[in-house]
Amino acid sequence: GAGVSQSPSNKVTEKGKDVELRCDPISGHTALYWYRQSLGQGLEFLIYFQGNSAPDKSGLPSDRFSAERTGGSVSTLTIQRTQQEDSAVYLCASSLGGRPAYNEQFFGPGTRLTVL
Amino acid sequence: QKEVEQDPGPLSVPEGAIVSLNCTYSNSAFQYFMWYRQYSRKGPELLMYTYSSGNKEDGRFTAQVDKSSKYISLFIRDSQPSDSATYLCAMLGWVTGGGADGLTFGKGTHLIIQP
Repeated sequence: GAGVSQSPSNKVTEKGKDVELRCDPISGHTALYWYRQSLGQGLEFLIYFQGNSAPDKSGLPSDRFSAERTGGSVSTLTIQRTQQEDSAVYLCASSLGGRPAYNEQFFGPGTRLTVL
Repeated sequence: QKEVEQDPGPLSVPEGAIVSLNCTYSNSAFQYFMWYRQYSRKGPELLMYTYSSGNKEDGRFTAQVDKSSKYISLFIRDSQPSDSATYLCAMLGWVTGGGADGLTFGKGTHLIIQP
């Protein structure tokens, strides 16, 4: 079956613009995760959705970042007033469920964001 | 100190060699330990997953966890050029900073297998 898909694959934007990144999880996966991968910081966890709700948003880097998930499926990560330090690869993953049992997280190919 | 430490490499070895990749961690709440492989411009893919201390083998790959030392390893036997990639260790516990179900990753080791 289809894996996790993300769009766009690449995004170049100017500093100060807003961007929206999209994630389509594997069908039937109720848990969805956003991560950010940058050269300096490695792969960092941002936010997790179980269904449509995100129980903890403290991993988001700043209040310019927001995420939502509707219909228990597609999720969007929005970055407002982008800064150069937001340049990174944004990865989405999905799994059958979250706690209490571990479920394998399947990753998408990522969106490479460049802020000029 | 980062929660998970991993030498970024690069680590270059000849084809057929045994490769040893390692991570150390500081958070004793971590209970699940994973190794992911990531090829350039691709998302990470899960290689191995372990829960308890000890060894777990899958083909040419062996994952080792020592919870008392907070040290995990991945061994690759009979390494192939196609094994050239970045290997990321990842960990999961009930409390991992940003959320109970988000993985905490090492920075990844860039592995090069020379033909």
